[in-house]
Amino acid sequence: RKEVEQDPGPFNVPEGATVAFNCTYSNSASQSFFWYRQDCRKEPKLLMSVYSSGNEDGRFTAQLNRASQYISLLIRDSKLSDSATYLCVVNSGGFKTIFGAGTRLFVKA
Amino acid sequence: GAVVSQHPSRVICKSGTSVKIECRSLDFQATTMFWYRQFPKQSLMLMATSNEGSKATYEQGVEKDKFLINHASLTLSTLTVTSAHPEDSSFYICSARVVPQNTEAFFGQGTRLTVV
Repeated sequence: RKEVEQDPGPFNVPEGATVAFNCTYSNSASQSFFWYRQDCRKEPKLLMSVYSSGNEDGRFTAQLNRASQYISLLIRDSKLSDSATYLCVVNSGGFKTIFGAGTRLFVKA
Repeated sequence: GAVVSQHPSRVICKSGTSVKIECRSLDFQATTMFWYRQFPKQSLMLMATSNEGSKATYEQGVEKDKFLINHASLTLSTLTVTSAHPEDSSFYICSARVVPQNTEAFFGQGTRLTVV
């Protein structure tokens, strides 16, 4: 089993749609959690950290459920510019930063 | 946010030669640096984790004699692809963190290696 697993993609949605990404992690000792965005042929960039209390940044909402070892990202009112690959990232026990395989999102006009 | 500089951004080399990629944390001291490889349309795969002043820890299936990692200071790590072959052509990305703080990882811009 992979340490971090994400929904397989891709997701194809129209502009204005709400889209949800799900992620599970296997190491219960994992300490911190993030969502990154990666555009084609570019390095990943931090989108937002994920806190147990849930956090929101504009159209983006991230949630963490430690009991279920589950992380989610919700994008509301999606824009064309949201098209990218979204990566679930976990700082696992020890020094490792582990990436999920990523879910590609295509937002279409 | 913190800045990690990686270069070269693109390199083409002949089969059998070696290529060195540098990763520098510009405004913070990175206790730990990570090296990833990404093939087209695939996810980032962790190759190795390096802590300053100690030997790198390689992931299963990654040849440590082929991918030499040096992390001599808190601001610089290097990855040398030795005796490169066409199948080593890939996008290599470094990232840096301050461990054990639970902060995010900061990424270099990546290096696209093409071995001909």
